[in-house]
Amino acid sequence: EAGVAQSPRYKIIEKRQSVAFWCNPISGHATLYWYQQILGQGPKLLIQFQNNGVVDDSQLPKDRFSAERLKGVDSTLKIQPAKLEDSAVYLCASSQTSGRPSTDTQYFGPGTRLTVL
Amino acid sequence: KQEVTQIPAALSVPEGENLVLNCSFTDSAIYNLQWFRQDPGKGLTSLLLIQSSQREQTSGRLNASLDKSSGRSTLYIAASQPGDSATYLCAVIQGAQKLVFGQGTRLTINP
Repeated sequence: EAGVAQSPRYKIIEKRQSVAFWCNPISGHATLYWYQQILGQGPKLLIQFQNNGVVDDSQLPKDRFSAERLKGVDSTLKIQPAKLEDSAVYLCASSQTSGRPSTDTQYFGPGTRLTVL
Repeated sequence: KQEVTQIPAALSVPEGENLVLNCSFTDSAIYNLQWFRQDPGKGLTSLLLIQSSQREQTSGRLNASLDKSSGRSTLYIAASQPGDSATYLCAVIQGAQKLVFGQGTRLTINP
């Protein structure tokens, strides 16, 4: 079974530029998550989709971050314009969503490391 | 607001030792608690998931315990090996599968 795929793996941009990250979840997984992990911290949930609808985006900085999952499969996270403090690893995860939290394990991709100069 | 704290932030031990990693959380209204491993440049790998009705879970040399009333969990690693070197993260699972993570413990096992 293929895992969660993310691209690019690394990205270096200057502040005020735009950047986009792509995620392809495990086939059949209805729920997709984007996390931000700043160096030395644990991942923080940015947005959660179920199919192509948003479940939780309460911690997404909506003035500069946007995300979409148009066909309920792969997803794109965009930052426009980027700030220095956006330097982090962006992790994508997916889960099956059986309706039982005890069994809905999240599977994580390798992440995209963003450096903003 | 749920806060998850892991102590220590970093730990270095000789190979073969048994060790304990600690995790505490402020709000006991959780579904489950999960321990993950993170290797440099890689995503997170789930190690153990403890349901809120359980007290512990075991997998090989790993044993995780949960005390909801005191807001604590421990991850016990027996007979540590250099391959166990990684960052270990605990996360509590709240409504709608929301994971709230601690900041992690960076573990180094010295040969």
